[in-house]
Order: sequence, then structure tokens, then C-alpha cells
Amino acid sequence: RKEVEQDPGPFNVPEGATVAFNCTYSNSASQSFFWYRQDCRKEPKLLMSVYSSGNEDGRFTAQLNRASQYISLLIRDSKLSDSATYLCVVNLDTGRRALTFGSGTRLQVQP
Amino acid sequence: GAVVSQHPSRVICKSGTSVKIECRSLDFQATTMFWYRQFPKKSLMLMATSNEGSKATYEQGVEKDKFLINHASLTLSTLTVTSAHPEDSSFYICSADNRWTRVFRDEQFFGPGTRLTVL
Repeated sequence: RKEVEQDPGPFNVPEGATVAFNCTYSNSASQSFFWYRQDCRKEPKLLMSVYSSGNEDGRFTAQLNRASQYISLLIRDSKLSDSATYLCVVNLDTGRRALTFGSGTRLQVQP
Repeated sequence: GAVVSQHPSRVICKSGTSVKIECRSLDFQATTMFWYRQFPKKSLMLMATSNEGSKATYEQGVEKDKFLINHASLTLSTLTVTSAHPEDSSFYICSADNRWTRVFRDEQFFGPGTRLTVL
């Protein structure tokens, strides 16, 4: 089983659609969770951290379910500019502060 | 704030040569820097964790004698790919965490990456 597993992509959605990405992680002791966005041939950029209580930033909502070891990202009212690869990222071992990346889910928003 | 730079952004070299990549935190001090690589259509894989003033910790399967890491100051870490071969061609990305804010925010800041092509 992969340490961080994501939905296989790609997701092709029309502008304005709502899209959800899911992610599961293997280590129940993990403490830090993030969603990053990566554009083609660029470095990943932090989209949002994910907290136990869930958090929202504009059109983006992230949720964490520790019991199920599951993280989600919801994007509402998709824009063309949302097209990118979304990476689920977990700190599996807080002692080392190293991040483990999921394989990413490609999103293509179409006009 | 929290800008990380990498140099060079792109390098093409012949097989057998060594390539040095620099990672700098421009406006903060980084106790720890991380080196990742990403092959086409794959996700980032951690290569090593670099702490200022101490030896790097390498992930399983990463040859420490091939990928030399030096973290001599709180703002600079270097990765040297020694005797590079075509299979080393990849996108190398560094990240850093902020020495002062890491207690409050568990966030890493990524450099723009270095694309290495070995002919």
C-alpha cells in the first residue's frame, strides 16, 4: 500500500463545476496534512493546510478524517486557472519533518 | 517573505560530469532543507534531509556518495550529482522550513526547481 494514495486522474470538468479530490494516508500518527498545487514543469505551491476541524479558503474546502485516515479537497465554481495537478501531502513522521507526496491528481477545467 | 531560490534552473551536461545545485533561503533562516526529485509524470520523492552543520540523512535507495549534500549555513544547501548519467536526468527541487516559525507553522517553502538533463 502506498504511504499517500490519491484518486487517479485526470479529472476533466467544465468551468463552474464542483470537483472533489480524495486522499488516504497510511500512518495513523501523522500530524500534518496539506494540499499543494503543481503546474506543469513548476515547483509545488502550497494551496492549503488541512486541519482536524476542516478549513475553507474561498472556493476551496479541505477536510480531514483521522479515524478513516482520509483527506479531501473540494473546489467549487471551477475556473480555467484551476487546471493543474493537485498533490496530497502528509508529514508521516513528525520527528523528521519530511513530507510524503501523493502521486497527484490532474485537473483540467474546460471552457 | 519565505522565498527559496535554486540555481541553476536548468542544466545540460555530458555523462560523467558532476553538477552542483544550490538552494538558498532568501529572507529567512532554514534549519532544515530537503531535496526531492521528480521524474516525468511522477510525484516528488524525498532524496535527503539536510540539517545545517551536520550530515544529511538519505532516504533508502539514494546513494550518498553519488548525491553529495552540504548545508554549511542557515541559508544555503548544495546538492552535487557526481558522475551524472542519463538516468539521473530529473527535476530536482529543494525545500526549506523556517527556523523561527516552524514551531507554529509546519510548512515548507519550495524552490523553483532545477531541471537536469544528462546526455
